[in-house]
Amino acid sequence: DARVTQTPRHKVTEMGQEVTMRCQPILGHNTVFWYRQTMMQGLELLAYFRNRAPLDDSGMPKDRFSAEMPDATLATLKIQPSEPRDSAVYFCASGTRDFNEQFFGPGTRLTVL
Amino acid sequence: QQPVQSPQAVILREGEDAVINCSSSKALYSVHWYRQKHGEAPVFLMILLKGGEQKGHEKISASFNEKKQQSSLYLTASQLSYSGTYFCGTEKGGGGADGLTFGKGTHLIIQP
Repeated sequence: DARVTQTPRHKVTEMGQEVTMRCQPILGHNTVFWYRQTMMQGLELLAYFRNRAPLDDSGMPKDRFSAEMPDATLATLKIQPSEPRDSAVYFCASGTRDFNEQFFGPGTRLTVL
Repeated sequence: QQPVQSPQAVILREGEDAVINCSSSKALYSVHWYRQKHGEAPVFLMILLKGGEQKGHEKISASFNEKKQQSSLYLTASQLSYSGTYFCGTEKGGGGADGLTFGKGTHLIIQP
């Protein structure tokens, strides 16, 4: 049963610390998405990649967030330095161009104190 | 531009019908529908593409009015398992597999 995996599932950190979230897309999926969900803002697109190349990262605060795909099996989202307003659930999703469904991972729940 | 969903919340009895609407201020290539249960990740329901093509997994029907830039999701004979938050999403690009801009969601509660 192929699924997207994300680590860690939960992260509590203090303001100013660096946070790295990891995502393993479904094997064979060439598009990876990062979304953030909060009660206030809802589900927001942060960035996405196709064939490991960034297509759009306009949803990310550029000064503190960065997203990369070191290889086809790993996507990372880094926050440095973290702030309390970054507290949210961060979802990674993967898909292919042939079929438009996005498969979401279980999410990383981030709490910044 | 974030699509607008209505209603914000619906409470139904099992077996009743519901319609969830999604409208956009910009021209749409496609509309995607997802359902999210509490504490879980969003799950794909269906996509409606310009030209009338639809792809989906479940026995849920939907419509897409390209001219009005609107879509509606129809839940008939609702079951307890239909409870959750429904999101419509529109693509930033138009390629059919781009990042989505989601609406605020419609909370659906099905009571026995």
